[in-house]
Amino acid sequence: QKEVEQNSGPLSVPEGAIASLNCTYSDRGSQSFFWYRQYSGKSPELIMSIYSNGDKEDGRFTAQLNKASQYVSLLIRDSQPSDSATYLCAASPSYYGNNRLAFGKGNQVVVIP
Amino acid sequence: EAGVAQSPRYKIIEKRQSVAFWCNPISGHATLYWYQQILGQGPKLLIQFQNNGVVDDSQLPKDRFSAERLKGVDSTLKIQPAKLEDSAVYLCASSFRGLGNTIYFGEGSWLTVV
Repeated sequence: QKEVEQNSGPLSVPEGAIASLNCTYSDRGSQSFFWYRQYSGKSPELIMSIYSNGDKEDGRFTAQLNKASQYVSLLIRDSQPSDSATYLCAASPSYYGNNRLAFGKGNQVVVIP
Repeated sequence: EAGVAQSPRYKIIEKRQSVAFWCNPISGHATLYWYQQILGQGPKLLIQFQNNGVVDDSQLPKDRFSAERLKGVDSTLKIQPAKLEDSAVYLCASSFRGLGNTIYFGEGSWLTVV
């Protein structure tokens, strides 16, 4: 079983709509959770981190964490063409998250103008 | 602020040959990581250094991969001998300390083994 799973296929959303991405993790000891954005041919860049249950908002992005269900999600509001990328979910067993960071395979998002 | 530097950017080798990748982290960053990203997959941690010491190398195929970080700054990742399944992007990343700080990735070294 993979540590971090992102199972949904490419997501196409119209410009201005909400994109919703989901991720599950298998290690109940995971403490820190991250969403990275990766443009084609580029390296990943951190867009959100979340450490406690509930919602965390940053601009147009909202991360949601439910440790009981071992579930992390990312909402992108008012989607823009520049949001078209692959979004990687990651989890770490350490509280601040920089040790043994495990990534999911990513979900591709395509925003249609 | 200069980012994480990696070289070479692209490399094509034949199977059973050797290859080495170099990484220079962001100045002052004590923690350095090497990740392998195969096309269509997420990055997989190969090795994590804290200064000169290895924090985690549990997923490093030690029969063919080796890495070192001399003087706690630059790092080199070597593959010898290469296999077809080693074709991937090798991402170097760094963070200020091991805990509580953002990981910054370099642009990656693209390896094709033919």
